[in-house]
Amino acid sequence: AQKITQTQPGMFVQEKEAVTLDCTYDTSDPSYGLFWYKQPSSGEMIFLIYQGSYDQQNATEGRYSLNFQKARKSANLVISASQLGDSAMYFCAMTNSGNTPLVFGKGTRLSVIA
Amino acid sequence: NAGVTQTPKFQVLKTGQSMTLQCAQDMNHEYMSWYRQDPGMGLRLIHYSVGAGITDQGEVPNGYNVSRSTTEDFPLRLLSAAPSQTSVYFCASRREFNTEAFFGQGTRLTVV
Repeated sequence: AQKITQTQPGMFVQEKEAVTLDCTYDTSDPSYGLFWYKQPSSGEMIFLIYQGSYDQQNATEGRYSLNFQKARKSANLVISASQLGDSAMYFCAMTNSGNTPLVFGKGTRLSVIA
Repeated sequence: NAGVTQTPKFQVLKTGQSMTLQCAQDMNHEYMSWYRQDPGMGLRLIHYSVGAGITDQGEVPNGYNVSRSTTEDFPLRLLSAAPSQTSVYFCASRREFNTEAFFGQGTRLTVV
């Protein structure tokens, strides 16, 4: 079974600074996918970025990048040039190949300070 | 394109009542899941389905039933509501294991 761990309940970052949100995972399946979602105070779940276990390069989407360290089983989200609108809950999630569900970590609440 | 539609958005139940949370998607996705979100607990998986006629239990299935008679619909039934089921419920669907999940807007359920 897969497991996701997010050890930072809350983080603060100054506007325009970069921030790293930690995520570690555990699975015995060599084929898996890692996802990050953002949940603003309005409650909707917004997909940010995806990394496949066989992807050779770290995923990037605009200001979001995923620092994928396979040997350490970590998939940290890096947000560059933080904006006030980045204040939200951030969830790391993973799924294995085949008929397995998407499972989530407990999330990190990011607060961006002006 | 409607995506994932959940109804209702808000619901108050009395202890012992039953109800069904509806979830429908129009993207022809095979994978569908139900989650509950509680403060400090993240999204916990209740039940999931990998296709019509196939369902399986997640982390917290007790007190909930699901069925998947069509690809589009994945209703969640609360059999006898308890205050511990007060939560925000999300339905999600995705096309394949390595593709993003699309979420409904959520249902805020209060059991009194």
